[in-house]
Amino acid sequence: RKEVEQDPGPFNVPEGATVAFNCTYSNSASQSFFWYRQDCRKEPKLLMSVYSSGNEDGRFTAQLNRASQYISLLIRDSKLSDSATYLCALTRGSTLGRLYFGRGTQLTVWP
Amino acid sequence: DTGVSQNPRHKITKRGQNVTFRCDPISEHNRLYWYRQTLGQGPEFLTYFQNEAQLEKSRLLSDRFSAERPKGSFSTLEIQRTEQGDSAMYLCASSSVDRGSKNEQFFGPGTRLTVL
Repeated sequence: RKEVEQDPGPFNVPEGATVAFNCTYSNSASQSFFWYRQDCRKEPKLLMSVYSSGNEDGRFTAQLNRASQYISLLIRDSKLSDSATYLCALTRGSTLGRLYFGRGTQLTVWP
Repeated sequence: DTGVSQNPRHKITKRGQNVTFRCDPISEHNRLYWYRQTLGQGPEFLTYFQNEAQLEKSRLLSDRFSAERPKGSFSTLEIQRTEQGDSAMYLCASSSVDRGSKNEQFFGPGTRLTVL
């Protein structure tokens, strides 16, 4: 079983829509969680870290469910500029070393 | 620009040649990571350094791959006797890890390698 699983999509939504992505992980020792955004042929850019109590940054809300071993990203009021691939990532253990990535979920926001 | 930088941005080489990539991390970051990404996949971990010490290497890092960070600043990744399967985007990331840190990693623009 893969360390991190993501639905690759694509998700196609109109401007203004609310869209949510989930990411499941297999190792309960996973420690830190992140969402990255990646535009076509560019590097991943850190969108937000995910905190245990959930956190919000503008139109973006991230949540962590340790019992069910998943994290989620909610995007409200989608903009055309939100079109990208969204990657979830995590670290394991106390050394907080390597990131384990999902394969990414592709989002297209249409006018 | 104080972000992570990588050189070259693109590299085309023939099978069997050696290639070397360079990464300059964010200056105050003590950790430096190398990842590889192919189309439709998330980045896969290769190796990482804390200061000049190489702390972990992936099974993906065959004996044809070697990475160094001699002075704890920039790093190089060398691939010897390249194979077509080495074609990928090679990404470098850096982070600052201290007490209470979540180890947020910031990526450079990558080096796109094409092996003919």
